Amino acid sequence: GQNIDQPTEMTATEGAIVQINCTYQTSGFNGLFWYQQHAGEAPTFLSYNVLDGLEEKGRFSSFLSRSKGYSYLLLKELQMKDSASYLCAVRAPDYTGANNLFFGTGTRLTVIP
Amino acid sequence: EAQVTQNPRYLITVTGKKLTVTCSQNMNHEYMSWYRQDPGLGLRQIYYSMNVEVTDKGDVPEGYKVSRKEKRNFPLILESPSPNQTSLYFCASSIGLAGFQDTQYFGPGTRLTVL
Repeated sequence: GQNIDQPTEMTATEGAIVQINCTYQTSGFNGLFWYQQHAGEAPTFLSYNVLDGLEEKGRFSSFLSRSKGYSYLLLKELQMKDSASYLCAVRAPDYTGANNLFFGTGTRLTVIP
Repeated sequence: EAQVTQNPRYLITVTGKKLTVTCSQNMNHEYMSWYRQDPGLGLRQIYYSMNVEVTDKGDVPEGYKVSRKEKRNFPLILESPSPNQTSLYFCASSIGLAGFQDTQYFGPGTRLTVL
């Protein structure tokens, strides 16, 4: 089966930096996605990594190490609106060869003043 | 505006009463998928479709049916809903090309309660 682990909850202070880790064990790998999800809303795309290294997008960066089965999402200059759940998802082929997304349970981030 | 729409957004029903949740996308995407989201379990895939008339089971297909007669629509059917199908449901779509940043776009969600 596909196994994707991330911490359940984290708390950080406004203006600070927070790193949310994700480890995965999947049969096959075709990319790792991070999504943001505010309570009761749809997930929205944040970042994508398929090669090792760091991808930077404004205040958000995502890192991937395929050999370690590890990724992290880095959020800088935290704002109150960053309070949300962050979902790590791995795209991998299933038994038919189709590429589906497999999600971790999400990390609920609370930003405090 | 590019979007995925779902209807209804909220539904309270009773055990055994057949229901359909509709999903439509206007991006000409080939790949569509249904997920359910439950506390502590994350998003789990119910069914997916690679193209018209091509559907397959995800991780939790029991109790659900789907159809893909047109590219834009992918309804989720619960023939005989049970209380354990109470959940938040999301439809998603993407271009469907492996090897590319094939981002999935999610609909707004349908909150279903089965009494």
